[in-house]
Amino acid sequence: EVQLVQSGAEVKKPGESLKISCKASGYTFTTYWIGWVRQVPGKGLEWMGIIYAGDSDARYSPSFQGQVTFSADRSISTAYLQWNSLKTSDTAMYFCARRDAYYNVDYWGQGTLVTVSS
Amino acid sequence: QTVVTQEPSLTVSPGGTVTLTCACSTGTVTNGYYPNWFQQKPGQAPRTLIYSVSNRPSWTPARFSGSLLGGKAALTLSGVQPEDEAEYYCLLFHGGAWVFGGGTKLTVL
Repeated sequence: EVQLVQSGAEVKKPGESLKISCKASGYTFTTYWIGWVRQVPGKGLEWMGIIYAGDSDARYSPSFQGQVTFSADRSISTAYLQWNSLKTSDTAMYFCARRDAYYNVDYWGQGTLVTVSS
Repeated sequence: QTVVTQEPSLTVSPGGTVTLTCACSTGTVTNGYYPNWFQQKPGQAPRTLIYSVSNRPSWTPARFSGSLLGGKAALTLSGVQPEDEAEYYCLLFHGGAWVFGGGTKLTVL
């Protein structure tokens, strides 16, 4: 059974760093892409970008380029989303999702709520 | 910057049929935009309904169908059930980037 299990909710202060995770199971991690999606409370879904788990080739949407970093650890089938300096505007739910070679987005993680507040 | 547009809200009666559309600011949506459709209920993660225009994963009921219609991607719900009340999002691939539509809030009334 394919599963994407994300790390738990985080509460951080502006300027702090953060790394959240998305652990994959039930399939060959290195042959799929993992996408990251942001959802600000009460708003729609925003595509942040995607990383190929096989070689960590990462593609960022323009709005998120330079603001976040994607990474993947093939040894533990886990993808990561990282911030070096959080802003209050980063407060949102973050989802990971699997994308295959045929551009099909199929499985989703349960989401990680990130709250940034002083 | 590519903008993807969906109807903000639609209302349908139980048992009825409704079509949601997904338009792209760059022009006609084709197979090469790989339209995906997702359903999201309050407090839940999105769930994939349709990928690559019209393909249903195993968990998607047959009453959901995807197509290309009038230059847009379309999601049609036939025989709507009360549990179909939700937010629906499309996702398009264009110019090397993926872009979500703003979502359609579907009310079953």
